[in-house]
Order: sequence, then C-alpha cells, then structure tokens
Amino acid sequence: QKEVEQDPGPLSVPEGAIVSLNCTYSNSAFQYFMWYRQYSRKGPELLMYTYSSGNKEDGRFTAQVDKSSKYISLFIRDSQPSDSATYLCAGETGANNLFFGTGTRLTVIP
Amino acid sequence: EPEVTQTPSHQVTQMGQEVILRCVPISNHLYFYWYRQILGQKVEFLVSFYNNEISEKSEIFDDQFSVERPDGSNFTLKIRSTKLEDSAMYFCASSEGTTNEQFFGPGTRLTVL
Repeated sequence: QKEVEQDPGPLSVPEGAIVSLNCTYSNSAFQYFMWYRQYSRKGPELLMYTYSSGNKEDGRFTAQVDKSSKYISLFIRDSQPSDSATYLCAGETGANNLFFGTGTRLTVIP
Repeated sequence: EPEVTQTPSHQVTQMGQEVILRCVPISNHLYFYWYRQILGQKVEFLVSFYNNEISEKSEIFDDQFSVERPDGSNFTLKIRSTKLEDSAMYFCASSEGTTNEQFFGPGTRLTVL
C-alpha cells in the first residue's frame, strides 16, 4: 500500500541546522495530515496536526501542506540532539484511519 | 498529562495460542484504534471502534482478530490463533472525536514463536 511515500533516510544534520522532512501522497481524499515523532521502540508521539493546505507553526516546528501537489513537509528550526528520532507523516480521509509513511530517521549531531 | 497506556509491554506466545492485548485510552476520548508495526515497516491501521462497535477495519483485521471494550476504561485486541507473521508492535490509540488527533500508547511487542 503506497498511499504515503517518505524517504527513509537516514538524515544526519549538525545541531542548530534547519531540517526539512517531506512526504508525498496519492490519495486525493486525504483531508487531515499529521506528523508524529517516534523514538526507538516507543509509540508515535503526535507533533503536528493540520487540516487542508497551508502552514501551521508550533515552536520550532512548522508543518506545510500543499494539496495541489500532494506534498507534506515538516521543518524543524534550531535542531537539537533530542530531536533525533524517526519522523512519520500520515494522512487521513476523515474515516479515522491513518495512513503512515515509512518514516525518516533523523540524527542531530552535537 | 493524560496518556494512553498498554499492557503488557512484551508478550511472547506460541503459534496457535490466543493472546489479548490491553489498552486504557485517554478517559474522555470516544474513538479507539489498533495499529501494528512489523519491524522495519510502516505503522498499519487495523481497526477503529466507536460507540461499542467497529467503525472501520483494514483487510489485515480478519476473523482471527476481535476487539472489545469490556468496561468503561479498557479496550482489548484479541488474536485467536496467533501466526508467526503476527509478530509486531501493536499500538493502541484514542481520539476525542471533535478533532481527529490520535494519541498513541507505548505499544505491546508481540513475539510469536
């Protein structure tokens, strides 16, 4: 099932860098988009939740959705070693089941 | 801060045995979900549950699987006759219902031998 595609990485950046994480999706019925952070062998932790196209900012995190190109992005400013995790994007049609990407593994090097 | 809890954290079972995975969703949430993640693969939706019945299920959720809310707080996933390929992390999630934000528990690692 390839409804959501995500580059698995790994991605390594120096501390303080701006990180850009991206997903594409194929299901035009997606209305809601989420970004989750998952530490090794833990449950996904909800970071950002957006509806339709546009930007949403929360602290150092900005989520961006472009429905015309079916593109979802997460930007992390001033990245910290504690941001090292796997980042999962997900889309949802409104029927309450999430479709996840494979996740991008991020390492922020001190 | 309220959170979803799951027990046990790790369950080892023999092929063909029944297992029950338990979850306590966030108390004022109305929608409950089970997902699974096979090692190295995507998180996959299994089933959603609302108002004491299944609202959506994936093709993974076949007759071997069932869900139940036996009381006002627990939400369970039963696998009747486990197979080797059922080995995975199983995540429970819940959402309030006014938004679709789903909050996940820490997961139960199921190992089928």
